Amino acid sequence: GEDVEQSLFLSVREGDSSVINCTYTDSSSTYLYWYKQEPGAGLQLLTYIFSNMDMKQDQRLTVLLNKKDKHLSLRIADTQTGDSAIYFCAESIGSSNTGKLIFGQGTTSQVKP
Amino acid sequence: DVKVTQSSRYLVKRTGEKVFLECVQDMDHENMFWYRQDPGLGLRLIYFSYDVKMKEKGDIPEGYSVSREKKERFSLILESASTNQTSMYLCASSLLAGINYGYTFGSGTRLTVV
Repeated sequence: GEDVEQSLFLSVREGDSSVINCTYTDSSSTYLYWYKQEPGAGLQLLTYIFSNMDMKQDQRLTVLLNKKDKHLSLRIADTQTGDSAIYFCAESIGSSNTGKLIFGQGTTSQVKP
Repeated sequence: DVKVTQSSRYLVKRTGEKVFLECVQDMDHENMFWYRQDPGLGLRLIYFSYDVKMKEKGDIPEGYSVSREKKERFSLILESASTNQTSMYLCASSLLAGINYGYTFGSGTRLTVV
């Protein structure tokens, strides 16, 4: 079945770049997403990329998509302490009538001063 | 600002109780979802609905049921709560896919069953 895999932990120093990686299995995914979850909160949509794109940049965020390898990454430039959170990768699956997403396990990113 | 509202942030219930988790969205979204979140397991889909009175099982529906009598409200029901249902429960909504901009999530309900 469909699966999304992420590494569980990341530690980065403030001011450095963070890179969070994700692999997925459904080659027919139309959209791929990155969500951020701060402590005690729900998930917030950070950014998404359409499957016919290789890259998308939005301020400090850069998303890279390698469809051949089914690999998605999120790069956060100039990482701040407020970027400490759990980051979830997700892919859209199924027919166009359901909008179901499959989520990875989440990567906990800890930013050290 | 668009919202998905979950009625409780924290709940403590006893084993065997019937538990209702409520979720309301004000965005006129067709799709609504219930997930549970456990450390190291990510989000697992319990049930979803893409229309009033319509429901579909997700990956882990056992021990749960749902109700969607109105478009804006999607309720998750634990018929007889058990300790292994202690978890964070997240509700989400979205437009019908085809215009798939992802989900909007509620803040979550942390349920403890004792």
